[in-house]
Amino acid sequence: EPEVTQTPSHQVTQMGQEVILRCVPISNHLYFYWYRQILGQKVEFLVSFYNNEISEKSEIFDDQFSVERPDGSNFTLKIRSTKLEDSAMYFCASEAAGAESNQPQHFGDGTRLSIL
Amino acid sequence: SQQGEEDPQALSIQEGENATMNCSYKTSINNLQWYRQNSGRGLVHLILIRSNEREKHSGRLRVTLDTSKKSSSLLITASRAADTASYFCATDHSGGGADGLTFGKGTHLIIQP
Repeated sequence: EPEVTQTPSHQVTQMGQEVILRCVPISNHLYFYWYRQILGQKVEFLVSFYNNEISEKSEIFDDQFSVERPDGSNFTLKIRSTKLEDSAMYFCASEAAGAESNQPQHFGDGTRLSIL
Repeated sequence: SQQGEEDPQALSIQEGENATMNCSYKTSINNLQWYRQNSGRGLVHLILIRSNEREKHSGRLRVTLDTSKKSSSLLITASRAADTASYFCATDHSGGGADGLTFGKGTHLIIQP
């Protein structure tokens, strides 16, 4: 069964440094998402992406964050200047476009981001 | 407002018993989805129920949705040790594509062998 893959599985970065998290969505999917989960807390929506542009973003997704789909397969999340509170598990998800909007989102195993 | 709040927060049962988890939400939804998360892993989609559906089955899973009470339940029958995981409900309240899901805090289910 096709799956969403994320790299790296664990990223350790100094505060203030830029970090790029990478995702390869399922190949025929058209909607892409980033979520984060701070340790012990709920999964939170960050941003959705469709047709090469941001479709929706949450309050968390401020100017420090950006997303890109640089080619036909990768989907990246960049954090420009990391803060301690950015430490979390970051999940990528993708979704097929169907005849109706009720399609499940498929998640990767996540990247654990640790800011020192 | 909070969406997708599950209860109980933790549930421990014996293998073979049924496990029921509940989810409540506050604003109207297009659909509600249940996910499982094993420790340190990603979210695995279990089942999606649309706002115009009342019940849905998938193998040992049964999901109900009551839009008048803004609540849903997930029943796992004949539980197995491998069902030990955290279970989350997530609501899609927009109805279009590329909608961010709103997750609850989850129920941590432990199946005692």
